[in-house]
Amino acid sequence: DIQMTQSPPTLSASVGDRVTITCRASQSISTWLAWYQQRPGKAPKLLIYKASILQHGVPSRFSGSGSGTEFTLTISSLQPDDFATYYCQQYDTHPYIFGQGTNLEI
Amino acid sequence: EEQLVQSGGGVKKPGESLKISCKGSEYSFNTYWIGWVRQMPGKGLEWIGIIYPSDFDTKYSPSFQGQVTISVDKSIRTAYLQWSSLKAADTAMYYCARRQAATAEGFDIWGQGTMVTVSS
Repeated sequence: DIQMTQSPPTLSASVGDRVTITCRASQSISTWLAWYQQRPGKAPKLLIYKASILQHGVPSRFSGSGSGTEFTLTISSLQPDDFATYYCQQYDTHPYIFGQGTNLEI
Repeated sequence: EEQLVQSGGGVKKPGESLKISCKGSEYSFNTYWIGWVRQMPGKGLEWIGIIYPSDFDTKYSPSFQGQVTISVDKSIRTAYLQWSSLKAADTAMYYCARRQAATAEGFDIWGQGTMVTVSS
């Protein structure tokens, strides 16, 4: 199985900050990577797919980059709604493993 | 509105069987994979497996192979996740999610989740 290592586990930030979350795959997955946001008590929400393509309706302050084994999710200017947990997921090869998650907190 | 609506779940006793469901609406059900995800209380997302309604192709994560069964009834646009003998360790929220076949998109629509609690 392809393993996904996400960092940091927890990230403390303030409204207006720029933050970056990293996801590393144990082998190349090309750009078959998605990022999800999960708020407490809610289902995950797709933010970015194919490593860098913004899902319809997602604010442009979210961006993704990377290919192969190294990927990043950047939020350019944090808004109050952005404090949540973020997960990466590879969908190159089944099983479609998730990263461990990053809890973005104030 | 395109959506996945989940049902089933609740409080069950160890050893009982259970089948939870995920019904798709307002989209071409047969052309989207349906995946299942577990989230234990306070923990992260775990991939269980996936099914393609068009040809019933099913894949399981090794961690869940033999522990659960994924199936689908195309006639009623519903996918299922079932257990033959529940354990306390199966206590979790379970989500279904769809991904269109032959495109680059990730899992774009998720069900609302089904909570399964296994307790004696």
